[in-house]
Amino acid sequence: DVKVTQSSRYLVKRTGEKVFLECVQDMDHENMFWYRQDPGLGLRLIYFSYDVKMKEKGDIPEGYSVSREKKERFSLILESASTNQTSMYLCASSSGTTDTQYFGPGTRLTVL
Amino acid sequence: QQPVQSPQAVILREGEDAVINCSSSKALYSVHWYRQKHGEAPVFLMILLKGGEQKGHEKISASFNEKKQQSSLYLTASQLSYSGTYFCGTEYLDSSYKLIFGSGTRLLVRP
Repeated sequence: DVKVTQSSRYLVKRTGEKVFLECVQDMDHENMFWYRQDPGLGLRLIYFSYDVKMKEKGDIPEGYSVSREKKERFSLILESASTNQTSMYLCASSSGTTDTQYFGPGTRLTVL
Repeated sequence: QQPVQSPQAVILREGEDAVINCSSSKALYSVHWYRQKHGEAPVFLMILLKGGEQKGHEKISASFNEKKQQSSLYLTASQLSYSGTYFCGTEYLDSSYKLIFGSGTRLLVRP
């Protein structure tokens, strides 16, 4: 079974802190994605990566950056956390562009 | 460019049918359907590709109308386990690698 793991289920940070969210997949997938999920807004793409060290902006990249140094790991970075970044963050991976995306369990981030 | 899902919410009795629609303002290459149960990660249901046929998964099936740029998900004889939020994810002809998800349709099936 494909497994996508995220470093934390729940995280509480203070405004201005630098936050790292990590995602690891074990299926040698080329593509990895970061979404945020807010009530009534669905899943919105923040960044995605189609290869090691390659990244593309999604629909809401402002305030975020990403890092993919190894194929299995994709990190989301909040350089200076703000309260409007309080959300559920979901990581996903897929082997091809039209293939199934496998999601991790999510990290619920609260910024105080 | 987020696809529009309708309805936003549905309440059914066990055994009833439901249709969830996903409409796009741009030409589509594929439509993906996912279901997310409360407190869990979204789980893949099916993909419909441009030029593809209607697909089915047990009593859940879907269609893709390229001309109308929309897809519909059909849930037949609903079961309690069908409860959750359904998302469509659209892949556009002019962009690859990524899906744009709709805001979701919340489905509740009651005994």
